[in-house]
Amino acid sequence: GDSVTQMEGPVTLSEEAFLTINCTYTATGYPSLFWYVQYPGEGLQLLLKATKADDKGSNKGFEATYRKETTSFHLEKGSVQVSDSAVYFCALSDYWSNSGGSNYKLTFGKGTLLTVNP
Amino acid sequence: NAGVTQTPKFRVLKTGQSMTLLCAQDMNHEYMYWYRQDPGMGLRLIHYSVGEGTTAKGEVPDGYNVSRLKKQNFLLGLESAAPSQTSVYFCASSYDGPTAGTQYFGPGTRLTVL
Repeated sequence: GDSVTQMEGPVTLSEEAFLTINCTYTATGYPSLFWYVQYPGEGLQLLLKATKADDKGSNKGFEATYRKETTSFHLEKGSVQVSDSAVYFCALSDYWSNSGGSNYKLTFGKGTLLTVNP
Repeated sequence: NAGVTQTPKFRVLKTGQSMTLLCAQDMNHEYMYWYRQDPGMGLRLIHYSVGEGTTAKGEVPDGYNVSRLKKQNFLLGLESAAPSQTSVYFCASSYDGPTAGTQYFGPGTRLTVL
């Protein structure tokens, strides 16, 4: 089935450093791609998304570009802050089926823990 | 506007006990989901619902049952808890399906089965 692979953490950076979290995917169709963020003790929140090739999603200084040729959706931020410390999940929407039925669902990567030190 | 809320936040069960996790959303969303989050495994879909009165199996449905009697509530039941069900459970809801719609997550329920 479809899958998402993201770089393993933890990633530790100093404030104002440049951030890249790599994400690659395998999919049989043309999925939508997402980055979700989970702050300590909270549920996941959508950070950004892209629904077709070459689209760039951006939010709160983060951005990611849907690269169909390299099947990638890397997350970047030019200058991280302590408040960006969180777990980041790359995800794709895909169509699946089993004996119970079929539908679209989100498939998540394993998550990357980012810690930003002052 | 509370968004997505989950009850309880924490629970410890003994093997074989049963319990129900409650999820409520006040955004009038059609779609609701239950996920489990395990270390190093991301989130996996347990069950989902595409509207009031409907439920469907996700990737890892065994050992769980769900009900959606009201549009705003989605209940996850464990009939006979097992240690393998120790996990953090997240409920989510969305207006559209997963291809386009943003999913809104609750804060999670941490369940330990001894």
